[in-house]
Amino acid sequence: EAQVTQNPRYLITVTGKKLTVTCSQNMNHEYMSWYRQDPGLGLRQIYYSMNVEVTDKGDVPEGYKVSRKEKRNFPLILESPSPNQTSLYFCASKGEMNTEAFFGQGTRLTVV
Amino acid sequence: AQSVTQPDIHITVSEGASLELRCNYSYGATPYLFWYVQSPGQGLQLLLKYFSGDTLVQGIKGFEAEFKRSQSSFNLRKPSVHWSDAAEYFCAVGAWGGGNKLTFGTGTQLKVEL
Repeated sequence: EAQVTQNPRYLITVTGKKLTVTCSQNMNHEYMSWYRQDPGLGLRQIYYSMNVEVTDKGDVPEGYKVSRKEKRNFPLILESPSPNQTSLYFCASKGEMNTEAFFGQGTRLTVV
Repeated sequence: AQSVTQPDIHITVSEGASLELRCNYSYGATPYLFWYVQSPGQGLQLLLKYFSGDTLVQGIKGFEAEFKRSQSSFNLRKPSVHWSDAAEYFCAVGAWGGGNKLTFGTGTQLKVEL
């Protein structure tokens, strides 16, 4: 089954404690991205990757890092989480031009 | 830069009534347009998409949407709403250029009264 898998689904952490949210896709997609969803703001892109070792900033990249060492994986790293990064995070992958993006189930992060 | 406006934050309809959710976009070229639905505690499910061709597109769960270039709109419709349609709906415009970015609207929360 074609899918994008995020882990963990829920995470509560403390300010400043580094964390990683993993994202993996099994569709051999070149393009992957991360979004955060906040009430009243919709989804906003954090980072994206066009291919292995190629990443770039989206609209709200501050406080986040990503890496793309393998085609299937695109982890999101918060080096020093802060409460304003409490949000619902979605990973997405996409194939060729005229195709839609596939989303993971989301990771609800709470930073206290 | 592309943008999407969903002017209705909340909409309440009675079960069995018709539904129209509004979406206006701004994009310099031919847009790729999408509607996603998010049920409480769930991820995003694609309802329908428009890339080119027929401007009236059919999706899952009985939904349809019409692309109107002259109005920069992509409104979502359903003839008869079911209680299970209660969810949040997002319109998005895709730019498959260098950024390959989906830009989302702020969402419309649909409540269905029995």
